[in-house]
Amino acid sequence: LAKTTQPISMDSYEGQEVNITCSHNNIATNDYITWYQQFPSQGPRFIIQGYKTKVTNEVASLFIPADRKSSTLSLPRVSLSDTAVYYCLVGSNNAGNMLTFGGGTRLMVKP
Amino acid sequence: GAGVSQTPSNKVTEKGKYVELRCDPISGHTALYWYRQSLGQGPEFLIYFQGTGAADDSGLPNDRFFAVRPEGSVSTLKIQRTERGDSAVYLCASSLQGASTYNEQFFGPGTRLTVL
Repeated sequence: LAKTTQPISMDSYEGQEVNITCSHNNIATNDYITWYQQFPSQGPRFIIQGYKTKVTNEVASLFIPADRKSSTLSLPRVSLSDTAVYYCLVGSNNAGNMLTFGGGTRLMVKP
Repeated sequence: GAGVSQTPSNKVTEKGKYVELRCDPISGHTALYWYRQSLGQGPEFLIYFQGTGAADDSGLPNDRFFAVRPEGSVSTLKIQRTERGDSAVYLCASSLQGASTYNEQFFGPGTRLTVL
C-alpha cells in the first residue's frame, strides 16, 4: 500500500483558504486518493476522492498533479467548525478494500 | 436516515475481563469494517466482513480478538482477557459495495474502551 506523508498540524484563521498537501510517492496505477475528516469523539467522515487533475464538491477541492505523487486538499473560507483532523488515504477502490490511515493533519481554525 | 450506531459508547472494564462491542451498520450495507484508534493516531484496520463471512481478518492483533456477523447485519467485536493495551476507541464502518465508483465507508461514533 502506498504510504502517505502529510503535515502533523496546521493553524488557520476563519475565512482563510486552507491547503493541506499530502505526499504519496509510491502511488500505484489503480490507486485513488481519498480524504477523510474526523471531529473529536466522532468517526471519520468522507470528504472527497479523486484520481487525477481536479475534483470539486460542496465541501472541498482536491488537486492532483499529473505525476500523482502528491495531492492537495483545499478548504475554502474555513470556519471554526472545520477544526478537525484530516486524513489523506491512498488505495484501490476494489470491493472490501480496507482504509489505511496515517497520522493525519490536525487543523486548528482560530477566530 | 440512520447512520452507523455503536454500543456502548463507553466501556470500562478490568484487566482480564471479557467485553463485547456492538455495531449496527447502515441498513442494506453489505460490507462492515472494524477499526481501532489509539489516542493521537489514525484508525487501524482490524477486520472486514462481506455479508456474514469475515473476508479479511488480517488486522486482528491476536487470538483474543474475534468478531462475528451472523445474519449479515449487526456485528459484535469480542475481546477476551482484556489487557490495558487494548484501551482505545473501536470504530465500526459500513459501505455499500459496488453501488458507486468509490468505496466510501460510513463510520459510527465509536466505543471508547478503557481497561483498568
